[in-house]
Amino acid sequence: LAKTTQPISMDSYEGQEVNITCSHNNIATNDYITWYQQFPSQGPRFIIQGYKTKVTNEVASLFIPADRKSSTLSLPRVSLSDTAVYYCLVGDTGRRALTFGSGTRLQVQP
Amino acid sequence: DVKVTQSSRYLVKRTGEKVFLECVQDMDHENMFWYRQDPGLGLRLIYFSYDVKMKEKGDIPEGYSVSREKKERFSLILESASTNQTSMYLCASSLTLDYEQYFGPGTRLTVT
Repeated sequence: LAKTTQPISMDSYEGQEVNITCSHNNIATNDYITWYQQFPSQGPRFIIQGYKTKVTNEVASLFIPADRKSSTLSLPRVSLSDTAVYYCLVGDTGRRALTFGSGTRLQVQP
Repeated sequence: DVKVTQSSRYLVKRTGEKVFLECVQDMDHENMFWYRQDPGLGLRLIYFSYDVKMKEKGDIPEGYSVSREKKERFSLILESASTNQTSMYLCASSLTLDYEQYFGPGTRLTVT
């Protein structure tokens, strides 16, 4: 079971790029990496998913190095509304194992 | 629009009571999940189900059981509630185990 580690909190200012890293040293070959965003009093919401290299969508990019022992969620030009907790999830359909990280609280200031 | 609903937003129960938390999804998803969320511990998987009447233990199944009699409904059962089960409980569903999960709004359970 791939245990994940994330920074507890990060601070940023509006307009900056924010990179949040998740460590998953024991990731298995078939494990995928997914990031979620959670606002207070709401359930988490899917942001992005990847297996290797780089994935980009309209809200974020996900960078996964060749050894796949970590992944970095990149949020370009954050705004106040990006203040939230961000979770990485490492999971494998075959092993039916899903492990969320403990989350990173991102605070964006004006 | 995708929707996962949970029977209650807030629930207060007494120690020793049997507690049922209900979750319903309207997306015809195969997979459903129950998590608990505690400060500093993030989301921890209690149980999940990949088909009707099928279930698998997650990281912290002790003290909990689940039931999935219909595809759209997944119930979490606390046979005898204890104060250490006071937590936020989140239900989710997904099309496949490696596809994005859709979460409900959560049920904040307090056991006194």
